Amino acid sequence: GESVGLHLPTLSVQEGDNSIINCAYSNSASDYFIWYKQESGKGPQFIIDIRSNMDKRQGQRVTVLLNKTVKHLSLQIAATQPGDSAVYFCAESMNSGYSTLTFGKGTMLLVSP
Amino acid sequence: GAVVSQHPSRVICKSGTSVKIECRSLDFQATTMFWYRQFPKQSLMLMATSNEGSKATYEQGVEKDKFLINHASLTLSTLTVTSAHPEDSSFYICSATGQPEETQYFGPGTRLLVL
Repeated sequence: GESVGLHLPTLSVQEGDNSIINCAYSNSASDYFIWYKQESGKGPQFIIDIRSNMDKRQGQRVTVLLNKTVKHLSLQIAATQPGDSAVYFCAESMNSGYSTLTFGKGTMLLVSP
Repeated sequence: GAVVSQHPSRVICKSGTSVKIECRSLDFQATTMFWYRQFPKQSLMLMATSNEGSKATYEQGVEKDKFLINHASLTLSTLTVTSAHPEDSSFYICSATGQPEETQYFGPGTRLLVL
């Protein structure tokens, strides 16, 4: 991944709100995308993935949207909870998890009660 | 999802010593494992990719003689930081993928502090 500055983009929301975290990816040839959640001091946790032949995929309380035209990926979290507070990373790959992942810079989500 | 473990979770060592970090896939066979390094408030930086039974492929700028990677079985990969120095202090995270999993699942990370 590329190096970034010391200040992560931060999204602050109230408990119960819907959150939208955005990501611009770099490689138009990427065809597999993943969202990870990373809590402080822990490894990234898989949230949801999507392939390039889809533009939307839903999980439990989460939805990933893919816009290949503008190389944009978003993660929507419904009814955000304090436990959702973490850094969220998008990652792109040429094929699947077997291939090298390129991580985005990350967004910190802060949920206040 | 699949479970990946790392050991130790935290290690403090003296400068010049070597440190070994283990990464295990607990409920699937990991044909490919990846090692990442992460500095505070930064994204993950891929160090190397290892396939079971093969030599690891290192990313540009990562010294293969300093960061020794062994992937001797389908459930275990090790990263050895040789002759560690304070600048090697970081958060090291492994990930694994393999049948039937398609995506990469990450371990909990190892915090290395070199004094």
